[in-house]
Amino acid sequence: KAGVTQTPRYLIKTRGQQVTLSCSPISGHRSVSWYQQTPGQGLQFLFEYFSETQRNKGNFPGRFSGRQFSNSRSEMNVSTLELGDSALYLCASETGNTGELFFGEGSRLTVL
Amino acid sequence: SQQGEEDPQALSIQEGENATMNCSYKTSINNLQWYRQNSGRGLVHLILIRSNEREKHSGRLRVTLDTSKKSSSLLITASRAADTASYFCATDRTSYGKLTFGQGTILTVHP
Repeated sequence: KAGVTQTPRYLIKTRGQQVTLSCSPISGHRSVSWYQQTPGQGLQFLFEYFSETQRNKGNFPGRFSGRQFSNSRSEMNVSTLELGDSALYLCASETGNTGELFFGEGSRLTVL
Repeated sequence: SQQGEEDPQALSIQEGENATMNCSYKTSINNLQWYRQNSGRGLVHLILIRSNEREKHSGRLRVTLDTSKKSSSLLITASRAADTASYFCATDRTSYGKLTFGQGTILTVHP
């Protein structure tokens, strides 16, 4: 069974631009969640989607948004990028009833 | 903000020794999980212990949970160089994908 796939793996943007990250969950997993990891703040929850509905949201500004498609694939978007948005963005999927998250390798975003 | 505090922040041992990492949290939980992260990569789930469990084993891993003290420990026995990684505890207060992670313990196992 293929794991969680995130694209792109690495990207460089400049301040003010926007970025879209993609996540394909494990086949059959309907829940997708997103986390931001930085050296200063550690791992922080962004949002979680299940059956195309956002069920939970972390404490991030409105510049951070996401969505989930009918095939469970998810995207997150960050608009008006700031230097502090530089981070490893991790996507995780779950069957929906175990609590165990399966993470992708992440998308490393650098904002210059 | 992080709910969990992990101790120690870094641990350096020799191959064959045991490694113990501790995690404390602040609020009531449904379950507590431990994850491993190799440098700059995704997290790998190690073990989940529910709030009504006190101890759980998986291979060379042993996890304990003391809900009265709001703490957990992860013991890795007979460590190997391949165990070198960051280890995170994560707590779950809701059932909607939101885990609150600790800051992690960086484990280095010297061959």
